[in-house]
Amino acid sequence: DGGITQSPKYLFRKEGQNVTLSCEQNLNHDAMYWYRQDPGQGLRLIYYSQIVNDFQKGDIAEGYSVSREKKESFPLTVTSAQKNPTAFYLCASSTRTTGNEKLFFGSGTQLSVL
Amino acid sequence: LAKTTQPISMDSYEGQEVNITCSHNNIATNDYITWYQQFPSQGPRFIIQGYKTKVTNEVASLFIPADRKSSTLSLPRVSLSDTAVYYCLVGDPGNTGFQKLVFGTGTRLLVSP
Repeated sequence: DGGITQSPKYLFRKEGQNVTLSCEQNLNHDAMYWYRQDPGQGLRLIYYSQIVNDFQKGDIAEGYSVSREKKESFPLTVTSAQKNPTAFYLCASSTRTTGNEKLFFGSGTQLSVL
Repeated sequence: LAKTTQPISMDSYEGQEVNITCSHNNIATNDYITWYQQFPSQGPRFIIQGYKTKVTNEVASLFIPADRKSSTLSLPRVSLSDTAVYYCLVGDPGNTGFQKLVFGTGTRLLVSP
């Protein structure tokens, strides 16, 4: 069953702690993305990667870090430098079939601060 | 980047047809129009994509006038399960990548019995 798996579904962070959100896909997609969604708001792009071993900052990258060592995996670390990390985090990947590009999303991780 | 404008919310009843219009006055020649649906605490899901005229699939239709400055998502005979947020995106992901697409606040559709 192909798709994107995010874990955990819920995560709690203590002050000054780094936490890592997992994102795995078995869709054989080259590109992967991390978005942040605050209540009642749209999605904002944190980081994206178009190919293994390469990634770029999105619109709100400060306080976050990523890695792309494998095509299937794109973990996001929320560092202690992110002062307002409470949000819903969504991972996505995309096809590159010309004229039929789509974003496929995981089910999200809700991060809260203790 | 093409900016889109959608109504913040819409209300409907079961069995009715719902039309959600999106304005995108500065759409570029190569841009596609794509709609996503999002339920609470879930990731958005692709609904439909079009370039011009009309596109229809098993869940929705997308109407695009000749000037392409707006588009209308049509949901036939909605049910309670269609209550969700609907996002209109305009861009050319095949050329510039999805990182250039902007998810606004979308349209919150509430379907009542």
